[in-house]
Amino acid sequence: GENVEQHPSTLSVQEGDSAVIKCTYSDSASNYFPWYKQELGKRPQLIIDIRSNVGEKKDQRIAVTLNKTAKHFSLHITETQPEDSAVYFCAASTGTASKLTFGTGTRLQVTL
Amino acid sequence: NAGVTQTPKFRVLKTGQSMTLLCAQDMNHEYMYWYRQDPGMGLRLIHYSVGEGTTAKGEVPDGYNVSRLKKQNFLLGLESAAPSQTSVYFCASSIQGRSGEQYFGPGTRLTVT
Repeated sequence: GENVEQHPSTLSVQEGDSAVIKCTYSDSASNYFPWYKQELGKRPQLIIDIRSNVGEKKDQRIAVTLNKTAKHFSLHITETQPEDSAVYFCAASTGTASKLTFGTGTRLQVTL
Repeated sequence: NAGVTQTPKFRVLKTGQSMTLLCAQDMNHEYMYWYRQDPGMGLRLIHYSVGEGTTAKGEVPDGYNVSRLKKQNFLLGLESAAPSQTSVYFCASSIQGRSGEQYFGPGTRLTVT
C-alpha cells in the first residue's frame, strides 16, 4: 500500500520567516495530495490540495509544489504568523474510495 | 448544516468493556471513514465505507467493527476494549467521485484503563 513520509517532525521559525514541510510518497498511482492543519484539541482541516496534473498551487501565503518524478511534494508558508502554529499533515490518495494515507505530522511553532 | 458530528466526545472504558462510537453527517456524502490518531503516528485508517450497507478494512482494523445501516451514519464498535485502543478517534466523510476533500468530525477521546 501507499506509504507517506513527512519531515521534519518539528519546526520552529520566527514570525515573518518562511516554513517548508516536505513529504514523499511511494505509490506512483497517487494523484491527490492534500495538506491538513490541526490546532491543539481540534479536528484536521484542509488548507490546500494539489492534483497530479498540476505542479504548483498557491493560496495567499501558502503554496504546495509537486514533483511526480521524484514522488515528493512540499508545503510552503511565507510570512509566518503566530496563528500558523499547529500540526500540519500531508496525505496522498490514489483515488480508490478517496482513501487518504497520512504522513506523521509536523509541529510548526512560530515564535515572536 | 452541522457537517460531521461524533458522539461521545470523551469516554473512559475498563479493559474488556465494549462501546460504540457514532458518526453522523448531513452533507449526503457517500464515503465515510474512521481514523485513529496517536502521538507521532498521524492518522491511520481503521475502516471505511463507500455507501450504505458497505464496509471495508483500512490499515489498522483489528479489534474494531463497523456498520453503515444508514447513509448518514457510520458506527465504530469496540467489542472488548484494550489499553492499546486508547486514542483519539476521528470520523470523516467525502463526496463520491474523484479524490476529494475529507471533512472531519470533532473527534472522540477514548481512554481504556
